[in-house]
Amino acid sequence: GIQVEQSPPDLILQEGANSTLRCNFSDSVNNLQWFHQNPWGQLINLFYIPSGTKQNGRLSATTVATERYSLLYISSSQTTDSGVYFCAVRRGGSEKLVFGKGTKLTVNP
Amino acid sequence: DAGVIQSPRHEVTEMGQEVTLRCKPISGHNSLFWYRQTMMRGLELLIYFNNNVPIDDSGMPEDRFSAKMPNASFSTLKIQPSEPRDSAVYFCASSYSKSGANVLTFGAGSRLTVL
Repeated sequence: GIQVEQSPPDLILQEGANSTLRCNFSDSVNNLQWFHQNPWGQLINLFYIPSGTKQNGRLSATTVATERYSLLYISSSQTTDSGVYFCAVRRGGSEKLVFGKGTKLTVNP
Repeated sequence: DAGVIQSPRHEVTEMGQEVTLRCKPISGHNSLFWYRQTMMRGLELLIYFNNNVPIDDSGMPEDRFSAKMPNASFSTLKIQPSEPRDSAVYFCASSYSKSGANVLTFGAGSRLTVL
């Protein structure tokens, strides 16, 4: 099946810093989503981005489908950004969304 | 919209007992997914339904696990008999499939502890 690799596995930042999270996938996809799992365990959809670039406030994401990777940018990080960020992908012909292992982000005040 | 609703939020049971987890998807969504999250294995898809029909149950660990979706607004995941290794957070998610766009929305999860 399709493989999803996220890097780095752990990231520690000071409040106000910027960061880039990466997601590589092993096959062509027609669906890619970024999720944030907050410290209470809730999984929140951040972006649906099978290709191109989107922005939502301090967060933005870019997917280069032809090169099989996606990037999540967090600018001016805040302590509330802490948690685990997951990338999930889906191949054509299947509804199955496959998750990476996540990047655990800790933003210190 | 109330989102995807799961119950119970927490369940503690003893080995050998039956466990039933419940999910109400977002109204109008036609796909429903059950995921399990553990530290060791991350987020794993157990089973998904499309228009109330089970499509792929290859992630269901073994015969002790079963899932049903009797109608578009309700699904259950049952574990009988439960074992300590079943301890995990079980998430239900739903989506509306349309022209490839399939944005998954998760419930808050059910944390299961089997003693």
